[in-house]
Amino acid sequence: KQEVTQIPAALSVPEGENLVLNCSFTDSAIYNLQWFRQDPGKGLTSLLLIQSSQREQTSGRLNASLDKSSGRSTLYIAASQPGDSATYLCAVRRNFGNEKLTFGTGTRLTIIP
Amino acid sequence: GAGVSQSPSNKVTEKGKDVELRCDPISGHTALYWYRQSLGQGLEFLIYFQGNSAPDKSGLPSDRFSAERTGGSVSTLTIQRTQQEDSAVYLCASSFRGTSGYNEQFFGPGTRLTVL
Repeated sequence: KQEVTQIPAALSVPEGENLVLNCSFTDSAIYNLQWFRQDPGKGLTSLLLIQSSQREQTSGRLNASLDKSSGRSTLYIAASQPGDSATYLCAVRRNFGNEKLTFGTGTRLTIIP
Repeated sequence: GAGVSQSPSNKVTEKGKDVELRCDPISGHTALYWYRQSLGQGLEFLIYFQGNSAPDKSGLPSDRFSAERTGGSVSTLTIQRTQQEDSAVYLCASSFRGTSGYNEQFFGPGTRLTVL
């Protein structure tokens, strides 16, 4: 059974700092990995999707990397802003034909102005 | 539509009552998913639709839970004889099937269900 872990559970950093969020998964046979953010009381906003054949994806100040063999992904946020405060979730999809996502427990990020 | 929509946004019901939750996927998205987010369990998969059929219902927690999709669009999740442990946020997502299968899932705002 796939298990997805995100450490730390909560993180506070001063505005302007670069930071890294971690995601690890126990079964490396994944099809893709998706990073989401969730604001309090809201749904999930998709940030980045990395296919299993890719090493990284970038969108603006966000960069996600994937090391499938070691079961790890990181989300790098450059020059953090107060608006980045949210809970960040990673989710893995097992393989082609198995469409469900298995989610991590999330990292609650607070950017201190 | 512009995004996935869900209704109602909040639902408070009494234990033992039936509830229906609705999801409108992004226009043209053929896959639709239901997930549940609760404090103790995190975010869990419930069921997935491809068109109007459900190839994977493995996440439905009991036979009190059912879902249907009609016209390849709107989906309804029904919970019968609600229990307090059903209290959670129910999230719907949809995706488009490309040449390499379904990819990015886009989520709605969720329905917060409270069972008293």
